[in-house]
Amino acid sequence: GQQVMQIPQYQHVQEGEDFTTYCNSSTTLSNIQWYKQRPGGHPVFLIQLVKSGEVKKQKRLTFQFGEAKKNSSLHITATQTTDVGTYFCAGYGGATNKLIFGTGTLLAVQP
Amino acid sequence: KAGVTQTPRYLIKTRGQQVTLSCSPISGHRSVSWYQQTPGQGLQFLFEYFSETQRNKGNFPGRFSGRQFSNSRSEMNVSTLELGDSALYLCASSYSTGGRVETQYFGPGTRLLVL
Repeated sequence: GQQVMQIPQYQHVQEGEDFTTYCNSSTTLSNIQWYKQRPGGHPVFLIQLVKSGEVKKQKRLTFQFGEAKKNSSLHITATQTTDVGTYFCAGYGGATNKLIFGTGTLLAVQP
Repeated sequence: KAGVTQTPRYLIKTRGQQVTLSCSPISGHRSVSWYQQTPGQGLQFLFEYFSETQRNKGNFPGRFSGRQFSNSRSEMNVSTLELGDSALYLCASSYSTGGRVETQYFGPGTRLLVL
């Protein structure tokens, strides 16, 4: 079945450093969504990308959807302690109408 | 608008028992999805209901079932609990107009511990 992997599983950065998480799907995705889950919390929707090669920005966060629509990335510039949490990508692939979540990347930010 | 609510927030059960979890979606949302979250397996899709019908289903055994009522509220039932069912169960609602859900709005989850 369809698999969505994220790397790295875990990243520890110093506050102010940049951070990137990558999302890779085994099948072509019709769209990609990104969610953030704070420790002890629930996933919160960040953004959706639909077009091949699309890039969207939200303040210090930059989201990209690959040209082949099989991968995506989230880049955070100058991390802050408020960025701590697990970042999930999610997408629809193939003929399925199921939203499949990636394995997640846990970001730890040291002040 | 009020967010997605889930009850109860915490549950402790023993093996062999059954449990029913409840989810109230955001007003106007007709799609409700359920997910199981564990440290080892991440977010696993259980099923999705839309207008009282199960529209999609994940790869979970038949012990996991659900339903949706006419007011879009949904319940999830797990029978014959196993230790491995210990997890955070998340419900998410969505304003779905077509065959797929759009943005998912998650509830706080029900944390189930099976002893």
